Amino acid sequence: NAGVTQTPKFRILKIGQSMTLQCTQDMNHNYMYWYRQDPGMGLKLIYYSVGAGITDKGEVPNGYNVSRSTTEDFPLRLELAAPSQTSVYFCASTAHGPNTEAFFGQGTRLTVV
Amino acid sequence: KQEVTQIPAALSVPEGENLVLNCSFTDSAIYNLQWFRQDPGKGLTSLLLIQSSQREQTSGRLNASLDKSSGRSTLYIAASQPGDSATYLCAVVEKALYTGANSKLTFGKGITLSVRP
Repeated sequence: NAGVTQTPKFRILKIGQSMTLQCTQDMNHNYMYWYRQDPGMGLKLIYYSVGAGITDKGEVPNGYNVSRSTTEDFPLRLELAAPSQTSVYFCASTAHGPNTEAFFGQGTRLTVV
Repeated sequence: KQEVTQIPAALSVPEGENLVLNCSFTDSAIYNLQWFRQDPGKGLTSLLLIQSSQREQTSGRLNASLDKSSGRSTLYIAASQPGDSATYLCAVVEKALYTGANSKLTFGKGITLSVRP
């Protein structure tokens, strides 16, 4: 019953460093999403994927990159970390169709100093 | 562009009160609408999902309704308890323009509920 697993849970980066946030799901879901959540701002979509090999930009993609080489994994890459990327990052997945509940990981709290 | 709005941002009620949380969306071409609960420092937990062809869903003390034509959904919480204190978010799954498949999941900013003992 793993669902959506995100690693790491917490991370502190220095300005200019890079890192990859990992996300994996074991439910064979087609759709995967990366969001960032800032206080009072709700969840903003960074990137999403409708299947292996297919990704698309969301609302706030600048400074991030993604790839989807397998159905299970959807890593989010931060290049040249900036203080504005301090946030809580959530990965989510859904299956195809109208009766498809979204499942979320527990989040990664990232601080850029 | 789909926009999801939840007003008010925060709500405080005494224990035992029945309450309604509102959600509105601008584009009715949705696959479904979901209500989530988020506790402080935690991830999101799905509470109820309403398909676009449905009018309402119920789970225990929770009832969610959907009016696609007016772009509105409500989450009704009966006999509120202090344990219901959390942030409640609604989200819509949009239909992809060309394929008709589901695509983006768009969220409101949430309503932070506090239930006073």
